[in-house]
Amino acid sequence: GNSVTQMEGPVTLSEEAFLTINCTYTATGYPSLFWYVQYPGEGLQLLLKATKADDKGSNKGFEATYRKETTSFHLEKGSVQVSDSAVYFCALSLNSGGSNYKLTFGKGTLLTVNP
Amino acid sequence: SAVISQKPSRDICQRGTSLTIQCQVDSQVTMMFWYRQQPGQSLTLIATANQGSEATYESGFVIDKFPISRPNLTFSTLTVSNMSPEDSSIYLCSVLPQAAYGYTFGSGTRLTVV
Repeated sequence: GNSVTQMEGPVTLSEEAFLTINCTYTATGYPSLFWYVQYPGEGLQLLLKATKADDKGSNKGFEATYRKETTSFHLEKGSVQVSDSAVYFCALSLNSGGSNYKLTFGKGTLLTVNP
Repeated sequence: SAVISQKPSRDICQRGTSLTIQCQVDSQVTMMFWYRQQPGQSLTLIATANQGSEATYESGFVIDKFPISRPNLTFSTLTVSNMSPEDSSIYLCSVLPQAAYGYTFGSGTRLTVV
């Protein structure tokens, strides 16, 4: 079956530090990959996505590159801010119809950024 | 991308009662999804709801406990029936309006069962 494994954390960083949250996946096929962010007390927001190998998704200073050879989609940001404190979820979907449209999520990584 | 209005945003319910959660989308979508997020956990898909057909439930979830309605292409409801404290979770609806936009989520319903 499909699965997503991500660094569970929690991760605590100082403002302006470099962030990496690792994410690897297992899928029967060629999935689309996503990073979602959940700020305290809120629902999920799409942060970035990539739909094929070597695609780079980027948004708000965050980046992730779809690496087929290592089945990875690591999230990075060069300089985090206090406002980036949230839970980050890596996810995949196969988009091939039927139940494969569903998202499969990793367990989430809590990021806390201190001033 | 689509905008989802989910109601209620939170509720505290007595065990043994039922709660119906509504999800309204500002555009027509074929697929709607209902997820559960238990405290401190990731999201788990409950069911996929397509208009005009029965919802498809994931392993571990049954229609008697989580009945779903999908009367049209912009609206769905999820009912949590005969609630127990173990049902205390955040429930979220999600849609996929177009593959290029990715999935959109409602803001969630925080349910506490006492």
